[in-house]
Amino acid sequence: GAVVSQHPSWVICKSGTSVKIECRSLDFQATTMFWYRQFPKQSLMLMATSNEGSKATYEQGVEKDKFLINHASLTLSTLTVTSAHPEDSSFYICSAPHGPSGSGEQYFGPGTRLTVT
Amino acid sequence: GENVEQHPSTLSVQEGDSAVIKCTYSDSASNYFPWYKQELGKRPQLIIDIRSNVGEKKDQRIAVTLNKTAKHFSLHITETQPEDSAVYFCAASLYNFNKFYFGSGTKLNVKP
Repeated sequence: GAVVSQHPSWVICKSGTSVKIECRSLDFQATTMFWYRQFPKQSLMLMATSNEGSKATYEQGVEKDKFLINHASLTLSTLTVTSAHPEDSSFYICSAPHGPSGSGEQYFGPGTRLTVT
Repeated sequence: GENVEQHPSTLSVQEGDSAVIKCTYSDSASNYFPWYKQELGKRPQLIIDIRSNVGEKKDQRIAVTLNKTAKHFSLHITETQPEDSAVYFCAASLYNFNKFYFGSGTKLNVKP
């Protein structure tokens, strides 16, 4: 099946610094990828849609200047958390659709656990 | 946007019993409804999905039903086993857009 990877799997950073998380589709091309955030014991909340060759679209309430998304190629999307604060500590998961057109199938990355101290 | 509600938040059953998890959605245009199983710290794993042109789908011990009129769908697990213990999420999507809106999750505990 299709494989989506994320790097790093976990990261600890100091408050005020920026952190970049990569999401790669390893064996297929993805013109669209999605970024989710999951706080402990909570659901996955859609943050934004990453679009190759154009700007990302953000869900209501998500600060686009704080969570910078760049879809650099057909296999790579990056999420940069700028000026991170402890409340940004969370599990960040990306996904990419793959399958027959309109099938709806999506493949999730393994997630990145961010801890801001 | 879409709003997905999921119940119950926790569910404990005895091994061998059945488990049912229910979800409702708000956007009548949603037409793809996957269910995911997530173990602690891991990625969600698709266990079954259903499209709006189908009312029921079954895969061995797992089944999903969809009532488009009432805008609700349910996951049914029969003959539960301890390895079924995990958090289960429902989701709704306009599959042409592939954006998933997830329910709040159900922690299923299957007692041996």
